[in-house]
Amino acid sequence: EAQLVDSGGGLVQAGRSLRLSCAASGFTFDDYAMHWVRQAPGKGLEWVAGISYDSGGLGYVDSVKGRFTISRDNAKNSVFLQMNSLRVEDTALYFCAKDSGPYWYDESGSDSFDIWGQGTTVTVSA
Amino acid sequence: DIQMTQSPSSLSASVGDRVTITCQTSQTIEYYLNWYQHKPGKAPRLLIYAASRLQRGVPSRFSGSESGTEFTLTISSLQPEDFAIYYCQQSYSTPFTFGPGTKVDVK
Repeated sequence: EAQLVDSGGGLVQAGRSLRLSCAASGFTFDDYAMHWVRQAPGKGLEWVAGISYDSGGLGYVDSVKGRFTISRDNAKNSVFLQMNSLRVEDTALYFCAKDSGPYWYDESGSDSFDIWGQGTTVTVSA
Repeated sequence: DIQMTQSPSSLSASVGDRVTITCQTSQTIEYYLNWYQHKPGKAPRLLIYAASRLQRGVPSRFSGSESGTEFTLTISSLQPEDFAIYYCQQSYSTPFTFGPGTKVDVK
């Protein structure tokens, strides 16, 4: 069964860094793009970043550009989110999600997030 | 960025009811619209992709349709396990954006 397990969340002061990890199993990890999606307390879902199957393509929402870096290690079936210069507004439950295809953005528009982790909580204090 | 709205924001329904949730986009996205179900403390679940295609393993009581920039998720006969929050999401352009969600709870 395909599964994603998120980890690495915690309580951190504003301005500090945190690295999230997501371990995949049950599918051919290096065939698919991966993403991070977050949910702030009491809010809806927000796409944060995506990475293509071979790390050849990356994308970010504007609010995290220059601060967050998505990466992957296909040998370890894992995807990561390095979060630097954290802000109070980055406080959220962070989910990793598997793309239905190999590219983080498919110009055909056919991306969907078909497997999700249960999330890891990041709390940034002022 | 493409803006997404959903209506209603919440609804109360009973087991066996037919439930309809609407998602409106700020510009045309063809049929590149996905629907997800989310229960607190659990991983979100893909229900419908490309506006009307049922994800493998999802019960056939879930269906999706589109008309221009308006998309609809229908649950034909609500089951106890369907009480959750439902989100639409566009994959037409980046950044990918989600609707604000529709909470379906027990009447």
